Amino acid sequence: QKEVEQNSGPLSVPEGAIASLNCTYSDRGSQSFFWYRQYSGKSPELIMSIYSNGDKEDGRFTAQLNKASQYVSLLIRDSQPSDSATYLCAVNIGTTRDKLTFGTGTQLKVEL
Amino acid sequence: EPEVTQTPSHQVTQMGQEVILRCVPISNHLYFYWYRQILGQKVEFLVSFYNNEISEKSEIFDDQFSVERPDGSNFTLKIRSTKLEDSAMYFCASEDGLNEKLFFGSGTQLSVL
Repeated sequence: QKEVEQNSGPLSVPEGAIASLNCTYSDRGSQSFFWYRQYSGKSPELIMSIYSNGDKEDGRFTAQLNKASQYVSLLIRDSQPSDSATYLCAVNIGTTRDKLTFGTGTQLKVEL
Repeated sequence: EPEVTQTPSHQVTQMGQEVILRCVPISNHLYFYWYRQILGQKVEFLVSFYNNEISEKSEIFDDQFSVERPDGSNFTLKIRSTKLEDSAMYFCASEDGLNEKLFFGSGTQLSVL
């Protein structure tokens, strides 16, 4: 079983819509969860971190965590063309704190 | 804003040659990492370094790889005898030790011919 799984997409949404990105992880003991954005040819850039069950909002971004279902999601409200990128879910698997494991990423396309 | 700096941005080498990739982490950070990303694939963990020693490493990080923090600012990744399959973008990252948030450098694109 893959440690961190994401749908590769592409996910296409119209400008101004809500984009919903999902991620599942394998190890129930995992405690730290992150969303990174990666533009083509660039390095990952941290968008959100979440450590507790529930929602965490930061501007247009909301991260959601459900540890019982081993599920993390990222909502992007009022999507803009500049949000078009690959979104990487990353998890510190199990009890490790310095071995971040990435999913394959979901490509998001925001269309005019 | 502080950033992680990597040099060179591109490195071309012949198979079997040694390469050293260099990184200057953010100055007050305590944890240092190397990741790699083969074209079209996911970002893969190689190694983490804390308190002047390796704290975690992946199966990829075999005897051909080594890391060093030779002074208070640089963090290097050495590949002793490069293989074709080592061709990838190599990212250095650092973290302040408080919240596990990694900050990545812009990467070194390694091409092994």
